[in-house]
Amino acid sequence: KAGVTQTPRYLIKTRGQQVTLSCSPISGHRSVSWYQQTPGQGLQFLFEYFSETQRNKGNFPGRFSGRQFSNSRSEMNVSTLELGDSALYLCASSFLGGLSSYNEQFFGPGTRLTVL
Amino acid sequence: EDQVTQSPEALRLQEGESSSLNCSYTVSGLRGLFWYRQDPGKGPEFLFTLYSAGEEKEKERLKATLTKKESFLHITAPKPEDSATYLCAVQAGVSGSEKLVFGKGTKLTVNP
Repeated sequence: KAGVTQTPRYLIKTRGQQVTLSCSPISGHRSVSWYQQTPGQGLQFLFEYFSETQRNKGNFPGRFSGRQFSNSRSEMNVSTLELGDSALYLCASSFLGGLSSYNEQFFGPGTRLTVL
Repeated sequence: EDQVTQSPEALRLQEGESSSLNCSYTVSGLRGLFWYRQDPGKGPEFLFTLYSAGEEKEKERLKATLTKKESFLHITAPKPEDSATYLCAVQAGVSGSEKLVFGKGTKLTVNP
């Protein structure tokens, strides 16, 4: 069974540009969550999508947005990039989602974004 | 606000030297505590989920335990390949919330 895939794996952008990252969850998984990982802050929750709807959102500015498609694939967009947006962006999928109380989230390899 | 604190930040062990990593948490309505292993340049790899105080889970040289305020990851007779950053995360709040709150991790180095 294929794991979570993320594309691209590496990106270099300049300040002010925008970027779109893609995540394909494990087949059958309906919930997709996005996280930002930096050395100083660790892993921080961005948002979660379930059945094409954003269900939860972390404390990030509106420049960070996302969406989910009917096949559960998800994209994350960051507009007007800042130097501080340089990070590893991780996507995680879980099977049950919805009203389930307990979920195990499986992570992809991440997209390393560098903003110059 | 939900908080997760891991200690120590870094740990160096000799091969075969057993030890424990700590994860203390302050959350409202714990629904699950997760342990992950992360190798450099890779995404976290799922290890364990613990749901209630007193629960224990084992996998090879790793054993995770949970109390009402903290979790321990015990490493018995570690090998160099166990070197990684170990992350603890909690899932809290109402059912349907998939947000995980992570600690900053413990970087484990096992020397041969």
